[in-house]
Amino acid sequence: DAGVIQSPRHEVTEMGQEVTLRCKPISGHDYLFWYRQTMMRGLELLIYFNNNVPIDDSGMPEDRFSAKMPNASFSTLKIQPSEPRDSAVYFCASSRGIEAFFGQGTRLTVV
Amino acid sequence: GENVEQHPSTLSVQEGDSAVIKCTYSDSASNYFPWYKQELGKRPQLIIDIRSNVGEKKDQRIAVTLNKTAKHFSLHITETQPEDSAVYFCAASRRSGYALNFGKGTSLLVTP
Repeated sequence: DAGVIQSPRHEVTEMGQEVTLRCKPISGHDYLFWYRQTMMRGLELLIYFNNNVPIDDSGMPEDRFSAKMPNASFSTLKIQPSEPRDSAVYFCASSRGIEAFFGQGTRLTVV
Repeated sequence: GENVEQHPSTLSVQEGDSAVIKCTYSDSASNYFPWYKQELGKRPQLIIDIRSNVGEKKDQRIAVTLNKTAKHFSLHITETQPEDSAVYFCAASRRSGYALNFGKGTSLLVTP
C-alpha cells in the first residue's frame, strides 16, 4: 500500500479564495483524522470520521472549515473563504484501530 | 476533553547521552499513549506506544513508562545518536484508533 496520500503537497492561495485539501486513506482503515500543525499550537485535531461518518468536529475552528468523506477511500477538507491565519500544514491520518498513519501533509500558505 | 502537556519544549544532548521527555494527561479514561517522531519536513511516525495495562515498554534504545495514578508517561532514549534529532510528540486517547490528543512537541537535538 502507498500509505495515506494527500494532495496537493503545497498550496499557495490568496485571501478569500476557496481551498480544498484531499486525502486518500489506507485501504481497509475505518478511521480518518484531519490535523492542523502550526508552530504555536502544535498538532490540533480538526475532525475525525469513523466508517465515513463524522464523529467529532469540535476542533474545526469556524464555519469557514468543512470536511466530507463521501466514501471509504476519499476525504476533503475545505476552507472558504481562506484567511492568512489558516496558513499551516494540514495532515490527514488513517487507522484501523491501532496505529494512526499520517500522510505527507499539505503545506497551505494564504497570502 | 483530553489535555496533554509535554515538557521540555526543546532538549539538547550530546551523542551517547540519554534523553527523557515527559507528558501529563488530564482524562483518567485515557488508556492508549503513543509517541511519534517527526523529522524536519516529514510526517509524524509512530515509534512506540503503551497501553494502560502495562507500566513500561522497551524497544532497543527507546522505552516508555506510564504512571496511571499520577497520569503521566515518559519517553526515554538511551545512547542517543544524531539521527535521533527530531520533534517528538506524545499523545493520549481513550483507546487505540480513537482520536489522538497530542502534546505540543519536544524538539530534540543530538550533537556529535
